[in-house]
Amino acid sequence: EVQLLESGGGLVQPGGSLRLSCAASGFTFSSYAMSWVRQAPGKGLEWVSAISGSGGSPYYADSVKGRFTISRDNSKNTLYLQMNSLRAEDTAVYYCAKDYCSGGICYFPDYWGQGTLVTVSS
Amino acid sequence: EIVMTQSPATLSVSPGERATLSCRAGQSVSNNLAWYQQKPGHAPRLLIYGASTRATGIPARFSGSGSGTEFTLTISSLQSEDFAVYYCQQYNNWPLWTFGQGTKVEIK
Repeated sequence: EVQLLESGGGLVQPGGSLRLSCAASGFTFSSYAMSWVRQAPGKGLEWVSAISGSGGSPYYADSVKGRFTISRDNSKNTLYLQMNSLRAEDTAVYYCAKDYCSGGICYFPDYWGQGTLVTVSS
Repeated sequence: EIVMTQSPATLSVSPGERATLSCRAGQSVSNNLAWYQQKPGHAPRLLIYGASTRATGIPARFSGSGSGTEFTLTISSLQSEDFAVYYCQQYNNWPLWTFGQGTKVEIK
């Protein structure tokens, strides 16, 4: 059974930093791209960042480029999101997601974690 | 960025009735379209991918159709557990996903 468990959320002041983690189990972690998707309170879903199975080729939404860094440790089956220079508009539930990949091509998120809340406020 | 537009924003339906949700893409996404269900306080759950393929464990009352820019999610006979928010998502160019703003299906 695929399980994704996020941690690391909390309250942080504007300009501060936070690192989110996502512990994965139930599948061969290194074989799949992984992504972060966020949801501001009462709002819709926004893709944030993605990374290939090998850990190369990170991708970022324009809204976080230059402030957030995605990484993974395949030896620990864990995905990370380092968030710096946080702004009020970064307040959201952050979900990690396993991407459905086949034949070396990735498509959509097929499993999601339960999410971790990040609140940016003074 | 491909803009995804869902309609209506809210759909009021009685249990046992049919619900039809629409999703429009700003440009063709072929059949690279997924639907998700989200209940309050929970993560999204994959329902449909490839515009019309049900994900593992999804009941047959959920069906998807469409291609190009126009897509539809149909719930043939609403059950109590189906009242939720539904999102469409295009994945035409991984990982530059975009989601619709959601359709809330509520009890009439």
